Amino acid sequence: AQTVTQSQPEMSVQEAETVTLSCTYDTSESDYYLFWYKQPPSRQMILVIRQEAYKQQNATENRFSVNFQKAAKSFSLKISDSQLGDAAMYFCASVTGANSKLTFGKGITLSVRP
Amino acid sequence: DVKVTQSSRYLVKRTGEKVFLECVQDMDHENMFWYRQDPGLGLRLIYFSYDVKMKEKGDIPEGYSVSREKKERFSLILESASTNQTSMYLCASNARVAGSDTQYFGPGTRLTVL
Repeated sequence: AQTVTQSQPEMSVQEAETVTLSCTYDTSESDYYLFWYKQPPSRQMILVIRQEAYKQQNATENRFSVNFQKAAKSFSLKISDSQLGDAAMYFCASVTGANSKLTFGKGITLSVRP
Repeated sequence: DVKVTQSSRYLVKRTGEKVFLECVQDMDHENMFWYRQDPGLGLRLIYFSYDVKMKEKGDIPEGYSVSREKKERFSLILESASTNQTSMYLCASNARVAGSDTQYFGPGTRLTVL
């Protein structure tokens, strides 16, 4: 069974600053994928970034990057140059290659101070 | 762009009513999913379907059933709604292709059972 843990329920960042959201996971599978999803107040869940476990290189999407530490089973999201539109709930999730069932963390609410 | 639509954004029903939540995707995805989202609990999988007329229970199937008669449509049914089923319901889909595990979400339905 997979588990995903987001231990911080809330975080706050000043506009234009950098913030890191933490996530740890546990799985016995060797083939898996990790995701960060963003859910703004509009509630539409949007994919932020995706990481394949077999890739050593950390995924990057514009201002969003991950720090994937496979041995430590850690998958943190770094948001650089934070913008007001980044304010949302962020979910970390994992899926194994054996099926498509996502396991989600409980989410973290990020607020951005102007 | 992938589009996943849900029949209602807000729904109010009475205890004991039969409730249908509809989800439609336009990308010919094999897999479709129903989640419920509750504060502090993240997203939990209710049911998923990997093909027409095929379904599998997720983590919390009790009190729910599903129907998938056509590939693009996946319905969640509450046979006799109860107040503890008041929640946000999210539908998602993805392709059953290696490396295409990203799930795409609908906008969600906020169901209130009185």
